[in-house]
Amino acid sequence: EPEVTQTPSHQVTQMGQEVILRCVPISNHLYFYWYRQILGQKVEFLVSFYNNEISEKSEIFDDQFSVERPDGSNFTLKIRSTKLEDSAMYFCASSPSPGQRLSGANVLTFGAGSRLTVL
Amino acid sequence: GNSVTQMEGPVTLSEEAFLTINCTYTATGYPSLFWYVQYPGEGLQLLLKATKADDKGSNKGFEATYRKETTSFHLEKGSVQVSDSAVYFCALGYGQNFVFGPGTRLSVLP
Repeated sequence: EPEVTQTPSHQVTQMGQEVILRCVPISNHLYFYWYRQILGQKVEFLVSFYNNEISEKSEIFDDQFSVERPDGSNFTLKIRSTKLEDSAMYFCASSPSPGQRLSGANVLTFGAGSRLTVL
Repeated sequence: GNSVTQMEGPVTLSEEAFLTINCTYTATGYPSLFWYVQYPGEGLQLLLKATKADDKGSNKGFEATYRKETTSFHLEKGSVQVSDSAVYFCALGYGQNFVFGPGTRLSVLP
């Protein structure tokens, strides 16, 4: 079964350092997302991406964050200068285009997540 | 705006007990509704979905019915197992926009 893969599974960094989290979405999906989950808390939307540009972003997704699809397979989330409060699980997700959906519903498929610990 | 409310957890049950996790939503238009499950140390996995009113989603013994009149999508299972211990997230999807509930942690004791 196709899956979304994320690397690294866990990254520890010092406050102020740049971090890049990588995702390989399902190959024929066209919509890509980043969510985060602070330990034990709710899943929060960060950003959605389609056709090589951001389609929507939340208030959390400030100037410290950026996303990129540098090639045909990877989708990255960059945090320029990490803060302690950026410590969380970051989940990548992808979904198919309307024409690809089997049941009419847009279903997100999530990766296993990247745990970021900022010290 | 769109929002999802779930019952507060944690929920602790004995094996073979009946499970209900309540979920209600607020949405403009007609969203699709989902239950996602997160097992310890893992990402979110789609458990079941429903795309229109009165649809019933089902998977692995879990069921939920899209109730437009009560704006609800309660998750049920007749007989839970220890392996069902996880966090359950109710979500709504409207186009490319998804909103997740806060999650309900379920612990099933042998």
